[in-house]
Amino acid sequence: GESVGLHLPTLSVQEGDNSIINCAYSNSASDYFIWYKQESGKGPQFIIDIRSNMDKRQGQRVTVLLNKTVKHLSLQIAATQPGDSAVYFCAENGVTFGGGTRLMVKP
Amino acid sequence: DGGITQSPKYLFRKEGQNVTLSCEQNLNHDAMYWYRQDPGQGLRLIYYSQIVNDFQKGDIAEGYSVSREKKESFPLTVTSAQKNPTAFYLCASNLGQLMNTEAFFGQGTRLTVV
Repeated sequence: GESVGLHLPTLSVQEGDNSIINCAYSNSASDYFIWYKQESGKGPQFIIDIRSNMDKRQGQRVTVLLNKTVKHLSLQIAATQPGDSAVYFCAENGVTFGGGTRLMVKP
Repeated sequence: DGGITQSPKYLFRKEGQNVTLSCEQNLNHDAMYWYRQDPGQGLRLIYYSQIVNDFQKGDIAEGYSVSREKKESFPLTVTSAQKNPTAFYLCASNLGQLMNTEAFFGQGTRLTVV
């Protein structure tokens, strides 16, 4: 049926710790990637993006790393806060979504 | 105030009925997308449209239909052929599928079959 699928993995961290969320992508020709944050019952929202000519990009408390050799992205969140609790998705070319990770922040 | 609007937020359908979910954007985006999300799972692409009067099937198009008669609107019809339609449906838009730009999402429609 349409609802068959794997449940998202969960990362549980203590408030104030750093979080690292990983994503593997499939298309070696992809040249643009976005990390989105989805809070419960809402649509995903843009956090940060990176183009394939870069291997690192920093935002406010977030850093994205891109390893094209192994087709891997990571999102690092510094000093994780309860408001960071959400599901995080990576997307190739902005619209092709990979698997997500649920981040739970313990106060 | 530009954005993308989905309606209704909650929708109940009896088995065997077709229902249509609305998606409207005033961002002047060429491309629009429909995704399905089941509880605790990721987003799966149903249909997408890169330009008015044109659309393509995504990964799970069976039991769904769309139209793109206007740039601003991309309604999704869940037909009676969709055997398990209960899910959270998300609409998105961006400048173009090949433009490598951020997608803006609506707030979603939660469809329940009763």
